[in-house]
Amino acid sequence: DGGITQSPKYLFRKEGQNVTLSCEQNLNHDAMYWYRQDPGQGLRLIYYSQIVNDFQKGDIAEGYSVSREKKESFPLTVTSAQKNPTAFYLCASSLTTASYNEQFFGPGTRLTVL
Amino acid sequence: AQTVTQSQPEMSVQEAETVTLSCTYDTSESNYYLFWYKQPPSRQMILVIRQEAYKQQNATENRFSVNFQKAAKSFSLKISDSQLGDTAMYFCAWVAYSGAGSYQLTFGKGTKLSVIP
Repeated sequence: DGGITQSPKYLFRKEGQNVTLSCEQNLNHDAMYWYRQDPGQGLRLIYYSQIVNDFQKGDIAEGYSVSREKKESFPLTVTSAQKNPTAFYLCASSLTTASYNEQFFGPGTRLTVL
Repeated sequence: AQTVTQSQPEMSVQEAETVTLSCTYDTSESNYYLFWYKQPPSRQMILVIRQEAYKQQNATENRFSVNFQKAAKSFSLKISDSQLGDTAMYFCAWVAYSGAGSYQLTFGKGTKLSVIP
């Protein structure tokens, strides 16, 4: 089955620790995205990548970092510099970043800072 | 700033009835795409329907259809014959050009729809 997987489903972190959220896709898509979802908010874009070894900041990139060493993988690191990291994180991919392409989403990771 | 507004935070509808979710957006572009995504309690985001701005005809996908009013910058979603499985958050989204040949989705804050048996 083609799709997007995210792990773990739930993640707990102590303040001051960096954590990495995994995102893998087997859809052969060039573009990948990370979104943050908070209660009462829509999805906000953190980072996106159009192609391997390339990525751009989205609207709320501060306190986050990403890498894109393989086409299938786009991990997100939440650093200790992120002031309020507790949220639901969604990874998505699309064929390209062209405007008409549908984005396919993973099941999400719920991050809680203790 | 280019925005997407969903003015109804919550709505409910009786099973088998019809409901319309509203969405307005703000852009100066002439050609763009609009989307409705559904997020059920499982939190898996699913594309419901897509509309191309240069097409006059409103998009339809089975029980889901849109009323696209380009001049008014309005993009409402109509769900006919509502089913219990339609209970979800619905997000309107608009594609904005973000530079370097790429586009990004801008989402509204969502409408929580409850279908009542």
